[in-house]
Amino acid sequence: AQSVTQPDARVTVSEGASLQLRCKYSYSATPYLFWYVQYPRQGLQMLLKYYSGDPVVQGVNGFEAEFSKSDSSFHLRKASVHWSDSAVYFCAVSATSGGNYKPTFGKGTSLVVHP
Amino acid sequence: DPKIIQKPKYLVAVTGSEKILICEQYLGHNAMYWYRQSAKKPLEFMFSYSYQKLMDNQTASSRFQPQSSKKNHLDLQITALKPDDSATYFCASSQGHSNTGQLYFGEGSKLTVL
Repeated sequence: AQSVTQPDARVTVSEGASLQLRCKYSYSATPYLFWYVQYPRQGLQMLLKYYSGDPVVQGVNGFEAEFSKSDSSFHLRKASVHWSDSAVYFCAVSATSGGNYKPTFGKGTSLVVHP
Repeated sequence: DPKIIQKPKYLVAVTGSEKILICEQYLGHNAMYWYRQSAKKPLEFMFSYSYQKLMDNQTASSRFQPQSSKKNHLDLQITALKPDDSATYFCASSQGHSNTGQLYFGEGSKLTVL
């Protein structure tokens, strides 16, 4: 079964600073990988996804993520954060075979951006 | 306008009672899901349906019963409520019941059991 680890429960940065949110996955092959964001009192929204090809994928609002097979990671990055990026970010993984298609989510990282 | 409607947004129940959480999606999707989010646990998968058929159930308790009267409806009935059931319940949908599809989430129903 697949699993996801987000080692940082909370990250605090200043507006305009760069950002990296970490995600490590466990799966026997290359999985399907996703980043979702949850703004206060809202449901989750997908930021980006990776299936194959270029390991750096672009998402909405200037976010990107880089897949590393050797490191089993899928870290999320942004060059310059805005206060409105404050939210909870979830990394998720789906299996590529075996019929267990539901995405498994990490515990989430709460991002606080100080103005 | 929200494409996935969950009702009610907030509800308070007493221990031992029964509640139904409503979910309707207007995205034309064939697969629907229920997830639970609580302070104690991360986002937790409960059920998935495809074309109104149960595809996966990871809920240990039979007190949680999904109900699909139409393709775009997936309600969640919870009986004999316990304080540990307090959580926000999210309904989601996807185009197909596949691993490559993006999930679309509703805004959640926050349940408090006293």
